[in-house]
Amino acid sequence: AQSVTQPDIHITVSEGASLELRCNYSYGATPYLFWYVQSPGQGLQLLLKYFSGDTLVQGIKGFEAEFKRSQSSFNLRKPSVHWSDAAEYFCAVGAPSSSNTGKLIFGQGTTLQVKP
Amino acid sequence: DGGITQSPKYLFRKEGQNVTLSCEQNLNHDAMYWYRQDPGQGLRLIYYSQIVNDFQKGDIAEGYSVSREKKESFPLTVTSAQKNPTAFYLCASNPQGRSEKLFFGSGTQLSVL
Repeated sequence: AQSVTQPDIHITVSEGASLELRCNYSYGATPYLFWYVQSPGQGLQLLLKYFSGDTLVQGIKGFEAEFKRSQSSFNLRKPSVHWSDAAEYFCAVGAPSSSNTGKLIFGQGTTLQVKP
Repeated sequence: DGGITQSPKYLFRKEGQNVTLSCEQNLNHDAMYWYRQDPGQGLRLIYYSQIVNDFQKGDIAEGYSVSREKKESFPLTVTSAQKNPTAFYLCASNPQGRSEKLFFGSGTQLSVL
């Protein structure tokens, strides 16, 4: 079955510290991979996406993620966290465009708290 | 500017009442989706539609109904059969088959009185 797992429900880091949010997926083939961010009471904003090619992808707001096929992982990283990064983060997988379905499967989400 | 509009932002439902959440998009997207968000459970797919006058059940369709009479509109009705409707509901859309171009609305918080 297709699924996405974010092992950490809640993470707290100090401002200026580095961040890594974990994401593991189960999928029949190599899917499209996404990270979204959500502020309270808002919709989801796309941070970055991976389709193919270079396994390290850069996104907005200084975030990056690395695709590791052998580990079925797509972890999100940021070298130095800012207080404004406090939010909920979702990892998601989707079928490649050739499959003719645009649905995404989401992980449970990780809530990031930033300490001053 | 193009986007997805969800209304209302907050909605309250009484026992035995049906309520309808609105979702309108002016992105000319073919496909539209409804997700339900509960704390700690991520987003779960309720219904989706890839073309006008057609829609499919998602993972948690029981107690919900939808219609897709126009390309730009995909309203969700939460029926009285949905016994635990309190949640944050998100509407999304994308060009057909293009998961990488998924856009979200700002959501509707539904609560039970």
